[in-house]
Amino acid sequence: QVQLQESGPGLVKPSETLSLDCSVSGSPIVNQYYWAWIRQTPGKGLEWIGSIYNSVSTSYNPSLKNRLTMSIDTSRSLFSLRLTSVTAADTAVYFCARNDSGGFFANWGRGRLVTVSS
Amino acid sequence: DIVMTQFPDALAVSLGERATIRCTSSQTILDSSNNNHCLAWYQQKPGQPPRLLFSWASTRESGVPDRFSVTGSGTNFALIISALQPEDVAIYSCQQYFNVPSTFGQGTRVEIK
Repeated sequence: QVQLQESGPGLVKPSETLSLDCSVSGSPIVNQYYWAWIRQTPGKGLEWIGSIYNSVSTSYNPSLKNRLTMSIDTSRSLFSLRLTSVTAADTAVYFCARNDSGGFFANWGRGRLVTVSS
Repeated sequence: DIVMTQFPDALAVSLGERATIRCTSSQTILDSSNNNHCLAWYQQKPGQPPRLLFSWASTRESGVPDRFSVTGSGTNFALIISALQPEDVAIYSCQQYFNVPSTFGQGTRVEIK
């Protein structure tokens, strides 16, 4: 049974960098699945941020691409999100998820609320 | 980007009655390699992450009750709850994964009348 758990600061100042980790258990993190970040705001609903496979293949939402970096740490079985130059519009619940074959999400973390505020 | 539009934004249905949630894609989401639509449906209860109900437009996830069904083709799809139960109160969202970026509908809130 795959389990995902988000961690990271819940408060980030405007113009700074939002960094989150997703710890994965019960599933290989390499050579089998893409891993994704998705965020949710009351006004915009669910928004796919990006996906990563094996540290060598990433796919980012073009709307965030210029500010976004995703990475995998195989030694710690986690993948990470870095979003630079954040504004209040980046305030959201951030979910990590396993990207199953084709591109849907069968397994999700519980989510991490990140607020951008000074 | 492919725009996914759901209708209605919210609906209130009596217990035991039928609820229909519609989802329209702005362009085709048919994967010609397997002749399946790249569409997923999710259920989200307050304070929880989304739960996958259906993938490939009609593949039911394990554990999803039979009262949930799906229909549709082309660019028009629907999720149907045949007899609403109290535990079905949630927000339901569709997602296309045919193109990057993958996109979601705005969500439909289902409540009990």
